[in-house]
Amino acid sequence: QQPVQSPQAVILREGEDAVINCSSSKALYSVHWYRQKHGEAPIFLMILLKGGEQKGHDKISASFNEKKQQSSLYLTASQLSYSGTYFCGTEPDNNDMRFGAGTRLTVKP
Amino acid sequence: DVKVTQSSRYLVKRTGEKVFLECVQDMDHENMFWYRQDPGLGLRLIYFSYDVKMKEKGDIPEGYSVSREKKERFSLILESASTNQTSMYLCASSFLPRTEDGYTFGSGTRLTVV
Repeated sequence: QQPVQSPQAVILREGEDAVINCSSSKALYSVHWYRQKHGEAPIFLMILLKGGEQKGHDKISASFNEKKQQSSLYLTASQLSYSGTYFCGTEPDNNDMRFGAGTRLTVKP
Repeated sequence: DVKVTQSSRYLVKRTGEKVFLECVQDMDHENMFWYRQDPGLGLRLIYFSYDVKMKEKGDIPEGYSVSREKKERFSLILESASTNQTSMYLCASSFLPRTEDGYTFGSGTRLTVV
């Protein structure tokens, strides 16, 4: 039931771009994205509701293709502060979220 | 500032002990969740609750139970702790119905069972 995330890990230099993908085998009502820094609680980044909208938050944006049950998180011109583990959470209609295994993003100077 | 508070940051317990993990939220959220986080497996849902005295099993409920006697408090109970329950446990809460605010997580309890 957990969504599948790819890649498992990414290493970037400051200023480079990255894409993290999330796919589910179930029809979805929404997709959430979270970032967790080492030793800290996951922090909510954004939610995408079915309807295929794209959202943005500073230089981080995401899309949701409800027909394919897929979402992608785009990190543009990455900064050191973007380092952490990114989780997608998928929510079918029964209102309980499942999370992917996470993508570890490392941004180097 | 909205907050989900987990009572212990680190716990060490012996095999066979009964263990209580407490979670309190001050946001008047209806939903509360318990996840365990393990390397390479992400967050896996143990139990969740939509309301007081209500509980639903998640994907890995075996060996766990929960209690929700008050809206703001959701307890996870390990009936007889085993070494394979060594993990990071995260509590989360959210509004019902869904909102655009997402889930708010606690900082986690790292449990070691020896």
